Amino acid sequence: DAKTTQPNSMESNEEEPVHLPCNHSTISGTDYIHWYRQLPSQGPEYVIHGLTSNVNNRMASLAIAEDRKSSTLILHRATLRDAAVYYCILRDWANAGKSTFGDGTTLTVKP
Amino acid sequence: NAGVTQTPKFQVLKTGQSMTLQCAQDMNHEYMSWYRQDPGMGLRLIHYSVGAGITDQGEVPNGYNVSRSTTEDFPLRLLSAAPSQTSVYFCASSGTGGSGYTFGSGTRLTVV
Repeated sequence: DAKTTQPNSMESNEEEPVHLPCNHSTISGTDYIHWYRQLPSQGPEYVIHGLTSNVNNRMASLAIAEDRKSSTLILHRATLRDAAVYYCILRDWANAGKSTFGDGTTLTVKP
Repeated sequence: NAGVTQTPKFQVLKTGQSMTLQCAQDMNHEYMSWYRQDPGMGLRLIHYSVGAGITDQGEVPNGYNVSRSTTEDFPLRLLSAAPSQTSVYFCASSGTGGSGYTFGSGTRLTVV
C-alpha cells in the first residue's frame, strides 16, 4: 500500500490560513488523495478528496502537486474549532476496501 | 439520516470473554471497515469488506472475526478478549472506490 508522510504537529493563529502538507511519493495512478480530521473524542470526519486537480469545498481546499507526489490541505481561515488531528490517506479505487491511516498532524489553533 | 451506527458506545470485558461490536449503515454503501485506535495513535485497519459476503484482513486482524451477510451490517467479533485489545473501535463505510468514508462515533472497549 502506498503510504503518506505528515508532520506530527503544526500551530496556527486564529483567522489565519493553514497549509497542512502531505507527502506520498509512491502514489499510484489509481490512488485518490483523501483528507480526514478527528476532533477530540470523536470519530474521523471526511474533509475533502481529489485525484489530479485541485479541489474546493465548503470546509477546505486541496492542492495537488503536478507529479501527485505531494498535496496540501488548505484551511482558509482557521478557527478554534479546527483544532484536530488531520489525516492524509491514499485510497486506491481499484482496491478500495483497504485504506490505511498514519498518525496524522495535530493542528493547534491559538486565539 | 442515521449514517453509521455503532453499538455499544462503551464496554468493559474480562480477559477471555467474547463479544460482538455492532455496526450498521443506512446509506447502501458497498465498502465497510473496522479500525482500532489506541491512545494517542492513528487508526489501524482490522478487517474490511467490499460487499455482502466478501471480507478480508487488514493490518491487525488477529483476535478478531468479521462477517458481512447483508449490505447494511458488519459486526466485529472478539473471540477471547485480551488487555491488548483495549482501544476505541471505529466502523466506517463508503460508496464507490473514490468516495469518502463515513465513520461511526466509536466503541470504547476496556479489557481487564
